[in-house]
Amino acid sequence: AQSVSQHNHHVILSEAASLELGCNYSYGGTVNLFWYVQYPGQHLQLLLKYFSGDPLVKGIKGFEAEFIKSKFSFNLRKPSVQWSDTAEYFCAVNDYKLSFGAGTTVTVRA
Amino acid sequence: NAGVMQNPRHLVRRRGQEARLRCSPMKGHSHVYWYRQLPEEGLKFMVYLQKENIIDESGMPKERFSAEFPKEGPSILRIQQVVRGDSAAYFCASSPEQGRGSYEQYFGPGTRLTVT
Repeated sequence: AQSVSQHNHHVILSEAASLELGCNYSYGGTVNLFWYVQYPGQHLQLLLKYFSGDPLVKGIKGFEAEFIKSKFSFNLRKPSVQWSDTAEYFCAVNDYKLSFGAGTTVTVRA
Repeated sequence: NAGVMQNPRHLVRRRGQEARLRCSPMKGHSHVYWYRQLPEEGLKFMVYLQKENIIDESGMPKERFSAEFPKEGPSILRIQQVVRGDSAAYFCASSPEQGRGSYEQYFGPGTRLTVT
């Protein structure tokens, strides 16, 4: 069975700070990896995804993630956050059904 | 270009009543997934359906919960005799009928069920 672990439950940052959210998964087969974001009051939106190829994936809104197969990790990064990045972030893995991490709430202070 | 539609957005039911949640997938999508998000937890997979078929219901509670995706109309998640522990946000997602490597799922806004 797949499992996804997100290291931080709540992260508080100031604007312009760098963000890194950890994600580790356990799954023996070929995986598809995703980061979703849920802004307050809105539904889940896809930030970025990894299926194969270049392990450094660039997504929307300046986010990127790096797949490190040997570490079973898919960490999300953004060099300089904005207040509008305040949201909940979910890492997910799937073969055909998504397994989500518990989520990380990111609060960016203006 | 409508996305995944869910209704109602908010649903209040008393213990023992039935809750019926609807999901219309994106146009051209024939795969539907239901997830539940309990307070302070991440989303948990419940069921995966294609038109007229349940493919995987391993995440569904054995009793009181059922799901369908008929040939015509939306997918329905039905919860009979609701209890307070059913209070949660229920999300539907859909994906297109493509081969492996295209399992990107598009999510609806969710239905927040409150059982009083």
